[in-house]
Amino acid sequence: KAGVTQTPRYLIKTRGQQVTLSCSPISGHRSVSWYQQTPGQGLQFLFEYFSETQRNKGNFPGRFSGRQFSNSRSEMNVSTLELGDSALYLCASSLVIRDNEQFFGPGTRLTVL
Amino acid sequence: AQTVTQSQPEMSVQEAETVTLSCTYDTSESDYYLFWYKQPPSRQMILVIRQEAYKQQNATENRFSVNFQKAAKSFSLKISDSQLGDAAMYFCASFVDDMRFGAGTRLTVKP
Repeated sequence: KAGVTQTPRYLIKTRGQQVTLSCSPISGHRSVSWYQQTPGQGLQFLFEYFSETQRNKGNFPGRFSGRQFSNSRSEMNVSTLELGDSALYLCASSLVIRDNEQFFGPGTRLTVL
Repeated sequence: AQTVTQSQPEMSVQEAETVTLSCTYDTSESDYYLFWYKQPPSRQMILVIRQEAYKQQNATENRFSVNFQKAAKSFSLKISDSQLGDAAMYFCASFVDDMRFGAGTRLTVKP
């Protein structure tokens, strides 16, 4: 089985722009969770999507949003980028919602200049 | 609130020796899971070991084992016979409704 894939792997944007990151879960997995990893704040939970609906959300501003498609692929969007949004964005897939067995993708490294 | 604390930012071990990474957690829930993840320079998070809170027996996976002290809310990871490939960031995490991570411990393995 193919693992979790994330595209793109690297991204450079400037302040004020918006960005969309993509995550394809393991085949058969229906839940996708997103995490932000920064040197200062560490790994933080962003949100979880299951059956095309956001089911759980971390403590992030509304500039961070996401969606999930019928094939379980998920995208996250960050609008009006700030320097502090520079981070590694990880997604993890699991079979069902709030499943503790999560499989992580390689991440997307976002740099905001 | 669900929190995870790793008090050792960095640890070092000689190849073939044993090292223990510390982790404490706090949750008011009775049903939860605890994890150790490894993040090598490639940045891919790799599950090392998982512990169900309701199980008293400590989890083991080959050279990796945990010391789960539920009353003390402590969950340490022991790596035996350390190998150069064990060098990485190690994150302790707890899961109730979502995954919460500690700040991580950078492990260096000296040849």
